[in-house]
Amino acid sequence: EPEVTQTPSHQVTQMGQEVILRCVPISNHLYFYWYRQILGQKVEFLVSFYNNEISEKSEIFDDQFSVERPDGSNFTLKIRSTKLEDSAMYFCASRKQGSLWEKLFFGSGTQLSVL
Amino acid sequence: GQSLEQPSEVTAVEGAIVQINCTYQTSGFYGLSWYQQHDGGAPTFLSYNALDGLEETGRFSSFLSRSDSYGYLLLQELQMKDSASYFCAAPSTGGFKTIFGAGTRLFVKA
Repeated sequence: EPEVTQTPSHQVTQMGQEVILRCVPISNHLYFYWYRQILGQKVEFLVSFYNNEISEKSEIFDDQFSVERPDGSNFTLKIRSTKLEDSAMYFCASRKQGSLWEKLFFGSGTQLSVL
Repeated sequence: GQSLEQPSEVTAVEGAIVQINCTYQTSGFYGLSWYQQHDGGAPTFLSYNALDGLEETGRFSSFLSRSDSYGYLLLQELQMKDSASYFCAAPSTGGFKTIFGAGTRLFVKA
């Protein structure tokens, strides 16, 4: 089965540094997402992206966050100035179509540790 | 707003049947999904109910009652490998995001 791939699997950074998390969604998917999960907690929605623009974002997704699809295959999440509380597992997900019953395919995640 | 409530953890023995409940509050409703997540892994899709009733996929079944704003995931013939977290999830009104419940941690004992 096709997969969503994420790199790196682990990222350690100093507070205040910029990080870029990378994702390659499944090739014929149209909707892209970033979620995050703090250890042992719920999967939290950050942002959705469709047709080369943000379609919805959560209150977590403030000005420190941005997303890009620079080349038609990669989908990136940038955190401009990381905070301790940004430490979490970040999941990229994609969905084939706009149908609400279409399942989300998740990547295996990037564990971000901010020191 | 939207919220999904589910128990934080459930324990059952190998071979048994377990039911994980989910109640939801949404301004619009488009169905309920279930995802499984093993420790350190990504959530993986299990099932989706758009209409009332039971959907069966092998050992797993999912049920929805829209009038009661309630659904459940039923796992039969439990195996040790079913020990994981299970999340109910629902698309938002606009459909651009799927929101997740807090997850139910299932412990399967021998």
